[in-house]
Amino acid sequence: DAKTTQPTSMDCAEGRAANLPCNHSTISGNEYVYWYRQIHSQGPQYIIHGLKNNETNEMASLIITEDRKSSTLILPHATLRDTAVYYCIVPTGANNLFFGTGTRLTVIP
Amino acid sequence: EAGVAQSPRYKIIEKRQSVAFWCNPISGHATLYWYQQILGQGPKLLIQFQNNGVVDDSQLPKDRFSAERLKGVDSTLKIQPAKLEDSAVYLCASSLTPNQPQHFGDGTRLSIL
Repeated sequence: DAKTTQPTSMDCAEGRAANLPCNHSTISGNEYVYWYRQIHSQGPQYIIHGLKNNETNEMASLIITEDRKSSTLILPHATLRDTAVYYCIVPTGANNLFFGTGTRLTVIP
Repeated sequence: EAGVAQSPRYKIIEKRQSVAFWCNPISGHATLYWYQQILGQGPKLLIQFQNNGVVDDSQLPKDRFSAERLKGVDSTLKIQPAKLEDSAVYLCASSLTPNQPQHFGDGTRLSIL
């Protein structure tokens, strides 16, 4: 079952930073937060994950609050190719991903 | 590295027919997953394998769906007989271990007439 809450949709201007929020207030101390995205007609793509420290990779940054009840995925310079549905997931069981409905990000030219 | 390969990319069948999907995971990935994604929804896990053993098949409709991973590498998912509500995209994913990120194929889009 869903353990995260995300806005249904967001817009972002091309070249600007896209900040996608996620609430996971019931997260346990040893549970990770994962972010995936799904571009139209493709399978989901892994972006980043973290436990309690902020993380950065070539795709994005993940900022996790100190109480771990929420996080923000940051795409520093959004492009049109970043238009996708973004899923914030706290895996359950043996890496069971419940995708929910995610946030539909539209990057506007 | 090569990604997760799935075939066919599209399949159209009539209800009550049978269909099979094939998945080749990323080399060395011990964990394999099958998901069903109905239009407008997020993917839903059907079954998870660790090598050639089933870890979780609690969401698999076992009266009509079956899956196997005989040699711990490739996997097939079968539906017999198909129903109209089985129209969906069937996604395969793999991970190095159960605690590592999952990598997805682009799926098989199944349409039931």
